[in-house]
Amino acid sequence: GQQLNQSPQSMFIQEGEDVSMNCTSSSIFNTWLWYKQDPGEGPVLLIALYKAGELTSNGRLTAQFGITRKDSFLNISASIPSDVGIYFCAGQTASGSGGSNYKLTFGKGTLLTVNP
Amino acid sequence: DAGVIQSPRHEVTEMGQEVTLRCKPISGHDYLFWYRQTMMRGLELLIYFNNNVPIDDSGMPEDRFSAKMPNASFSTLKIQPSEPRDSAVYFCASSLMFGATRETQYFGPGTRLLVL
Repeated sequence: GQQLNQSPQSMFIQEGEDVSMNCTSSSIFNTWLWYKQDPGEGPVLLIALYKAGELTSNGRLTAQFGITRKDSFLNISASIPSDVGIYFCAGQTASGSGGSNYKLTFGKGTLLTVNP
Repeated sequence: DAGVIQSPRHEVTEMGQEVTLRCKPISGHDYLFWYRQTMMRGLELLIYFNNNVPIDDSGMPEDRFSAKMPNASFSTLKIQPSEPRDSAVYFCASSLMFGATRETQYFGPGTRLLVL
């Protein structure tokens, strides 16, 4: 099946530093999504990307949909303690008759720790 | 809105017992998803429903797992008989649409299952 390689697996940074993480795949995706999961909670969508080359920002977060449609990155600028959590990338594809069967594949996550 | 509601939040059971996880999606959402999260395999989509009909169950690990959605406001994921390797966090998510439309999946808080 499809697999996403997300890196790094974990990061330990100082407050105020910028963060970058990325996902790559051997498969092409129609949509790239970035989620954040806080301890004891479910993932929450941060940014969605729908076109190759698309660059989208959400506050201090910036994400890009790779030109090849096989990769995406997420940047967090000026990190703060509440950025702590696990960040997941997810790729979405469509298959079946008329592209009506959608499949969402998640990366293994990047654990971010921010030292105040 | 109360968001996606899952119960129980925690479940400890013995190998061989039947386990039933419950989910109430956000009112009006047509899509419901069941995910499993483990350290080894990350977040995996097990099955999803559209208008109470199962669309893709290719992620269901084996016949011991079954999911139903008898109406628009309720779904169950059942494991019978349970095994220690089923220990994981099980998430339910719902969305208005899925796929090409720009729609977010909203995740519940998860059920933490431990099979002894």
